[in-house]
Amino acid sequence: AQSVAQPEDQVNVAEGNPLTVKCTYSVSGNPYLFWYVQYPNRGLQFLLKYITGDNLVKGSYGFEAEFNKSQTSFHLKKPSALVSDSALYFCAVRDTTSGTYKYIFGTGTRLKVLA
Amino acid sequence: ETGVTQSPTHLIKTRGQQVTLRCSSQSGHNTVSWYQQALGQGPQFIFQYYREEENGRGNFPPRFSGLQFPNYSSELNVNALELDDSALYLCASSWANTEAFFGQGTRLTVV
Repeated sequence: AQSVAQPEDQVNVAEGNPLTVKCTYSVSGNPYLFWYVQYPNRGLQFLLKYITGDNLVKGSYGFEAEFNKSQTSFHLKKPSALVSDSALYFCAVRDTTSGTYKYIFGTGTRLKVLA
Repeated sequence: ETGVTQSPTHLIKTRGQQVTLRCSSQSGHNTVSWYQQALGQGPQFIFQYYREEENGRGNFPPRFSGLQFPNYSSELNVNALELDDSALYLCASSWANTEAFFGQGTRLTVV
């Protein structure tokens, strides 16, 4: 079965410092990986995706993610955190076995950027 | 903001009642998926519609049903509501296997 894991419930980082939100995956075949962000009482906003190609993926709002096949990881990063980045972040893998395009989400990591 | 809109944004229902949630997909998107996000959890896949046909379903009972219309908008219907159905319901639209865009969600509270 395909799955993703987000080992940290919460990550705290000081404003201006680099941030990393961790994600590992388990899939059969090539992974289709995504990061979404959720602000309070809102839906999910797409940040970036990895389908194929360069292992470093750049996305919205200055975020990037590094795909590491040997470690089966897809960590989200940003060089300099902003207080406005505080939100709930979800890693997801797209199911490629069922014939649908459904996402399988992790449990989420709450990012808190401290001023 | 995405072009996916959901209505209503909030509603409160009594256990045993029925509810219909609506979703207007982004222009050009022919695939709509519904997810349930319980408090403190990640979204869970309910089902997906492609060109008005259900083409995938998650681990949800038959009292969760849906429709997709010719303009690709969609409805989620839940019968015989239970307390555990209280959650944020998210609609996502996409074109083929491109990334999905989510609506702001409908917060359902069952009392």
